[in-house]
Amino acid sequence: QKEVEQNSGPLSVPEGAIASLNCTYSDRGSQSFFWYRQYSGKSPELIMSIYSNGDKEDGRFTAQLNKASQYVSLLIRDSQPSDSATYLCAVYSSASKIIFGSGTRLSIRP
Amino acid sequence: EADIYQTPRYLVIGTGKKITLECSQTMGHDKMYWYQQDPGMELHLIHYSYGVNSTEKGDLSSESTVSRIRTEHFPLTLESARPSHTSQYLCASSAGEGYTFGSGTRLTVV
Repeated sequence: QKEVEQNSGPLSVPEGAIASLNCTYSDRGSQSFFWYRQYSGKSPELIMSIYSNGDKEDGRFTAQLNKASQYVSLLIRDSQPSDSATYLCAVYSSASKIIFGSGTRLSIRP
Repeated sequence: EADIYQTPRYLVIGTGKKITLECSQTMGHDKMYWYQQDPGMELHLIHYSYGVNSTEKGDLSSESTVSRIRTEHFPLTLESARPSHTSQYLCASSAGEGYTFGSGTRLTVV
């Protein structure tokens, strides 16, 4: 079992709809969780961080964390073509290292 | 605006050559990392450093070496490049848990 698991996609969502990206992790001692966006050929860019159970909103992005279920998600409202990218879930483990998931490819269709 | 710089951006080099990929950051971060990523594939940690004169190997076995003589500088060296080293190399730094990535070096060994 991978330490951080994501569905590789591609996830295709119509423009204007909500895109929902999911991630599960295995280390119950993890305390910090991140979402990175990576455009093709570019480096990852941090878009959201979340540390406590519940929702955290930033513009069109909402991160959700459920530590009991070891589950993190990212919602993108009013999806735009510019949101088409690979989204990496990252978990700061109890071993003081960030573990990246393999990423979910998101495609927003006009 | 990125405060972590990688050079060169692209490099094509012959088999057997020695190369050094440069990474510098101006944020005063203690922690720095090197990742390898093939197109469309996941990130693999190859080296990291938590401060000057501290370097560790990552999760992916690599024939490269690193040094950390100054806080801001974390170069990666391949003593003898091989076609199997063809990949994108990403440098990152952090003060805490979230990472800032450089633009990457795309290496091709012919």
